[in-house]
Amino acid sequence: AQSVTQLGSHVSVSEGALVLLRCNYSSSVPPYLFWYVQYPNQGLQLLLKYTTGATLVKGINGFEAEFKKSETSFHLTKPSAHMSDAAEYFCAVSDSGSARQLTFGSGTQLTVLP
Amino acid sequence: GAVVSQHPSRVICKSGTSVKIECRSLDFQATTMFWYRQFPKKSLMLMATSNEGSKATYEQGVEKDKFLINHASLTLSTLTVTSAHPEDSSFYICSARGGHSNTEAFFGQGTRLTVV
Repeated sequence: AQSVTQLGSHVSVSEGALVLLRCNYSSSVPPYLFWYVQYPNQGLQLLLKYTTGATLVKGINGFEAEFKKSETSFHLTKPSAHMSDAAEYFCAVSDSGSARQLTFGSGTQLTVLP
Repeated sequence: GAVVSQHPSRVICKSGTSVKIECRSLDFQATTMFWYRQFPKKSLMLMATSNEGSKATYEQGVEKDKFLINHASLTLSTLTVTSAHPEDSSFYICSARGGHSNTEAFFGQGTRLTVV
């Protein structure tokens, strides 16, 4: 069984400040890890994913995440927040191999203050 | 990336009627499609997984007779909410997996269903 925990349902940062959204997972097999962003009344857009290889993954819009197996974490960061980053962010895990379904975290609402 | 189109984006229906939501993969063949339900301020709850040409696999607690899923082709899956009630009002999202990438699921835009 797999699970995802996102610490902090709401995160507020000032424009230009560092964004850090936390995600911890549990998985009995090597995981595939994802971060998605959702704007109001829209579907999910993939920000980045980790499958294998380099543990620091760069995604779109300046976001990146680092897979740390020892900490079972996959935290999402962005050096400088922009107003357009305000949205809901979901971390998700999938099993490897014949990956079939995603298990999502509960989501983190990011607010960017002017 | 691959494109998944979901239609309609919004629908309002009367209690007791049925509503069909379509999910199409536009530029790849989706061997597997997933249907999620999202409650306000909540995460996505997987409802069912469908594979082309076979019956959908429903998650525990999801009524298969109420949420009919058909995956008739490699580019189309439909979710029909039968005899809808106000408590079925929600945001429904589909995703599709297939094509050259079997490690990524591509999401539709979602459908906001309101039952009055």
